[in-house]
Amino acid sequence: AQKVTQAQTEISVVEKEDVTLDCVYETRDTTYYLFWYKQPPSGELVFLIRRNSFDEQNEISGRYSWNFQKSTSSFNFTITASQVVDSAVYFCALSDKVYNFNKFYFGSGTKLNVKP
Amino acid sequence: EAQVTQNPRYLITVTGKKLTVTCSQNMNHEYMSWYRQDPGLGLRQIYYSMNVEVTDKGDVPEGYKVSRKEKRNFPLILESPSPNQTSLYFCASSPLAGAGNEQFFGPGTRLTVL
Repeated sequence: AQKVTQAQTEISVVEKEDVTLDCVYETRDTTYYLFWYKQPPSGELVFLIRRNSFDEQNEISGRYSWNFQKSTSSFNFTITASQVVDSAVYFCALSDKVYNFNKFYFGSGTKLNVKP
Repeated sequence: EAQVTQNPRYLITVTGKKLTVTCSQNMNHEYMSWYRQDPGLGLRQIYYSMNVEVTDKGDVPEGYKVSRKEKRNFPLILESPSPNQTSLYFCASSPLAGAGNEQFFGPGTRLTVL
């Protein structure tokens, strides 16, 4: 069965600290996509990144970076030099080939509080 | 402006009173989906649609119906709402079905069933 686990329910950091949000996924398929979404206090869901299972290269986008490790079934998200505007709930998600990439499985989310 | 719209944004209703939450996208997207968000459970997929007249169940379809008669619209129907359907609902769309693309989400509909 497919499953996404975000064990960190809530994290609090002080501005400028680095923070890593963990995501562990389960799937029997070898072909899948992983995603991260951000939900700021205003409530909308914003796409951050999509990674396919064949691309294990880490990705960096400004202060954001993602570490994909198939060996540990993890797709962790790091924010460097966090800012108050990073305060949000972050969701990790998975879609695999079993349902032709039409079903999506989300984790329970990690709430990040960045204090000034 | 490219967007996914949902109506209403907020709704308080009573048990058993049929309701429809509308969802519309103006991006000519093939794929559309409904999710509910509950504390501690994240987002769970209710139904999805790969194209007009093609829909399938997500993980939590019980108590919900959908239809896709036009490409742009994907309404969510609760024929006999119950208090356990109190939740925050999101509609989403994606350019193609079967491609694992990123999804564009609507603003959400907060539903309370008394």
